[in-house]
Amino acid sequence: GNSVTQMEGPVTLSEEAFLTINCTYTATGYPSLFWYVQYPGEGLQLLLKATKADDKGSNKGFEATYRKETTSFHLEKGSVQVSDSAVYFCALGINFGNEKLTFGTGTRLTIIP
Amino acid sequence: GAVVSQHPSWVICKSGTSVKIECRSLDFQATTMFWYRQFPKQSLMLMATSNEGSKATYEQGVEKDKFLINHASLTLSTLTVTSAHPEDSSFYICSALLPYRGNEQFFGPGTRLTVL
Repeated sequence: GNSVTQMEGPVTLSEEAFLTINCTYTATGYPSLFWYVQYPGEGLQLLLKATKADDKGSNKGFEATYRKETTSFHLEKGSVQVSDSAVYFCALGINFGNEKLTFGTGTRLTIIP
Repeated sequence: GAVVSQHPSWVICKSGTSVKIECRSLDFQATTMFWYRQFPKQSLMLMATSNEGSKATYEQGVEKDKFLINHASLTLSTLTVTSAHPEDSSFYICSALLPYRGNEQFFGPGTRLTVL
């Protein structure tokens, strides 16, 4: 079956530090890959996505590259801010037209000034 | 745009009672909504797919008679936890599918259910 394994948290970094949150997956077929972010008291929001191998998703300074050879979709940001503190979820989706998502366990990120 | 709300945000009930959770798409119509359940420090687990005007499709292992889903309009889906027990205590999250945004899912903020 499909599964997503992501880096366990919590992760605490200082402002302007480099961020990497690891995510690997197993899937049948050719999944789309997503990173969602959940800020305190809010619903999950799509941060970025990639739909095929070697695609790079990017948004708000965050990037992730779909690596089929390593089945990975690691999230990176060069310089984090306090406002990036949130829970980050890696997910995969199969079946265009009915995007049933499989999520990782989430990684809580805290940025300290 | 594309806001999804849930009500209530938290609820405490006695064992054996039923609880209804509402999921609304506030500024768009959604023929498809999803219901997830999240345990502490675990991932979101898809419970069911809710389709407007038809029966919900439940994931394997989810009791359809216990978790009743009604998608009576294009902006409202409800999840009713019937005869709730303490093991049903969890965080329930809904999402709505937006077809003209590449089938992106928009999530509600979640409902914390505690069964005493």
